[in-house]
Amino acid sequence: SAVISQKPSRDICQRGTSLTIQCQVDSQVTMMFWYRQQPGQSLTLIATANQGSEATYESGFVIDKFPISRPNLTFSTLTVSNMSPEDSSIYLCSATGVLYGYTFGSGTRLTVV
Amino acid sequence: GNSVTQMEGPVTLSEEAFLTINCTYTATGYPSLFWYVQYPGEGLQLLLKATKADDKGSNKGFEATYRKETTSFHLEKGSVQVSDSAVYFCALSPSGNTPLVFGKGTRLSVIA
Repeated sequence: SAVISQKPSRDICQRGTSLTIQCQVDSQVTMMFWYRQQPGQSLTLIATANQGSEATYESGFVIDKFPISRPNLTFSTLTVSNMSPEDSSIYLCSATGVLYGYTFGSGTRLTVV
Repeated sequence: GNSVTQMEGPVTLSEEAFLTINCTYTATGYPSLFWYVQYPGEGLQLLLKATKADDKGSNKGFEATYRKETTSFHLEKGSVQVSDSAVYFCALSPSGNTPLVFGKGTRLSVIA
């Protein structure tokens, strides 16, 4: 399966600042997705990262708060903007392709203080 | 819409006990079904999957059978180990390029 390198693995950030999370896949994939996992909870889809165009956001998530880029078939970033303590979560990227099924990054554990 | 319902945890078992974690789904068409495992402090790992009715996925002693008639994909293991302590997520994919839909997760603790 494809391997995703996600970084940073964890960070502690001040409220009001922004953090950009990167995911690099070791091969071309069709789709990339971003999820949030709040403490003790399941995964909630934030958006689908579309290559070369604007991401498709799920209800409750907006581009101003979670801007996403996907400049090519193997790379995507998620920015968590103007952070508050409620944004403290694990953020995961995922990718899928015809040959690879679904793969997940190792996650970014974000704490906002 | 598509949804996954799995049994609430936490589940606490003694080593070598039999494990069942129930999972049922609602979906249009014929989804693929998955079990993922998340060990403490780590990301998600695919445990097993099934892509059509009556398929049985298996890995590391875990098994699950895709039952279309009962819309279920229950996870089983005959003899759990302490190292199986983790959170288990049932998930479905309506089609190959759509994001996974996850259940709430079931935390399993195995005690020696």
